[in-house]
Amino acid sequence: AQSVTQLDSQVPVFEEAPVELRCNYSSSVSVYLFWYVQYPNQGLQLLLKYLSGSTLVKGINGFEAEFNKSQTSFHLRKPSVHISDTAEYFCAVSDGGSGGSYIPTFGRGTSLIVHP
Amino acid sequence: DAGVTQSPTHLIKTRGQHVTLRCSPISGHKSVSWYQQVLGQGPQFIFQYYEKEERGRGNFPDRFSARQFPNYSSELNVNALLLGDSALYLCASSAELMGGYTFGSGTRLTVV
Repeated sequence: AQSVTQLDSQVPVFEEAPVELRCNYSSSVSVYLFWYVQYPNQGLQLLLKYLSGSTLVKGINGFEAEFNKSQTSFHLRKPSVHISDTAEYFCAVSDGGSGGSYIPTFGRGTSLIVHP
Repeated sequence: DAGVTQSPTHLIKTRGQHVTLRCSPISGHKSVSWYQQVLGQGPQFIFQYYEKEERGRGNFPDRFSARQFPNYSSELNVNALLLGDSALYLCASSAELMGGYTFGSGTRLTVV
């Protein structure tokens, strides 16, 4: 069974500072990894995904993430945040599962709060 | 292009009633999944459909059911509503099973 741990429930940061949101996963098979962002009163939007290939993945809005198989991590980073990045961020993992369903399991989320 | 559309956006129901939530996926997407999101938590998987067949079911009681229609739209039905069913219900579609999802804005269900 797969699971996701987002180590920080809340991350406060000042505008233009760098940020890292941490995500660790557990799975017994090859994994696919995702980061989503959710703005207030909206659905989730895909930021980036790792399916295979390069372990450094670049996404929208200047975000990137690195897949580290030995540490079972997929941390999200941005070198310089903006006020508009204030939102809830969710890490998700999926595997082949029974019958290849590839159903993602989501973490509890990290609230990124950017201060001016 | 239209994204994933869900209806209604908000709904208030009384305990014991039944509710039907609707979802239209992005054109060409054959997979539809339903998630429940309680305030302050991540989305919890309820159902996945692909090509009109159920591909997965989460740890939810039999009061929850769903189906996918020939045009790939989907319905989520919940019977005998409980206060604990109050949540944001999200529908997501994808072109393939392993790709990322496109989510709708959700249906906010309040059970009183």
